[in-house]
Amino acid sequence: DTGVSQDPRHKITKRGQNVTFRCDPISEHNRLYWYRQTLGQGPEFLTYFQNEAQLEKSRLLSDRFSAERPKGSFSTLEIQRTEQGDSAMYLCASSLGDGSYGYTFGSGTRLTVV
Amino acid sequence: TQLLEQSPQFLSIQEGENLTVYCNSSSVFSSLQWYRQEPGEGPVLLVTVVTGGEVKKLKRLTFQFGDARKDSSLHITAAQPGDTGLYLCAGGSGGSNYKLTFGKGTLLTVNP
Repeated sequence: DTGVSQDPRHKITKRGQNVTFRCDPISEHNRLYWYRQTLGQGPEFLTYFQNEAQLEKSRLLSDRFSAERPKGSFSTLEIQRTEQGDSAMYLCASSLGDGSYGYTFGSGTRLTVV
Repeated sequence: TQLLEQSPQFLSIQEGENLTVYCNSSSVFSSLQWYRQEPGEGPVLLVTVVTGGEVKKLKRLTFQFGDARKDSSLHITAAQPGDTGLYLCAGGSGGSNYKLTFGKGTLLTVNP
């Protein structure tokens, strides 16, 4: 297993466009997390899945954001009608069990909204 | 909302020096994790501490979890340029709804 994979690594989009990011977790990991990180800040929690069930969404996640994890495997994060404030690094992580012994992060998707 | 305060925010030292960075909160965590992040990459797990007062060593890095499980420190001995990076602490709690809350990080630069 090659770890957590995120695609694309970089995305530049015009304001108002929709974007979708993909995350492939470590195959035996049952939990998958999405975090957002802006410059000078630590990662901020967005949402997480246990298998295919989305168990929690942060209040940071407006109605323009939606995440799915069909069949409990890969996950997608979609942002509709992007705004300049959405520019950030979007990080995906996965864990075995509840994650209390650590997450494995992907390399992230850097989104720039122009 | 659980907050983790990390200090200092920035640290620039010479190769061979020792340093300590701190992670403090008013909340109790069931476990605390330290990660290192390099520019353009995701965080990489260094260690997890779960017991109050626990000390863990990873080569030149020493991690300590406070007795009350509200704070932690990371000490690096004889820092090397390869130690350069953003050091993040993350506290976890929530029982079956366990998830991590991250601090803002300490950006360490070790100059040769």
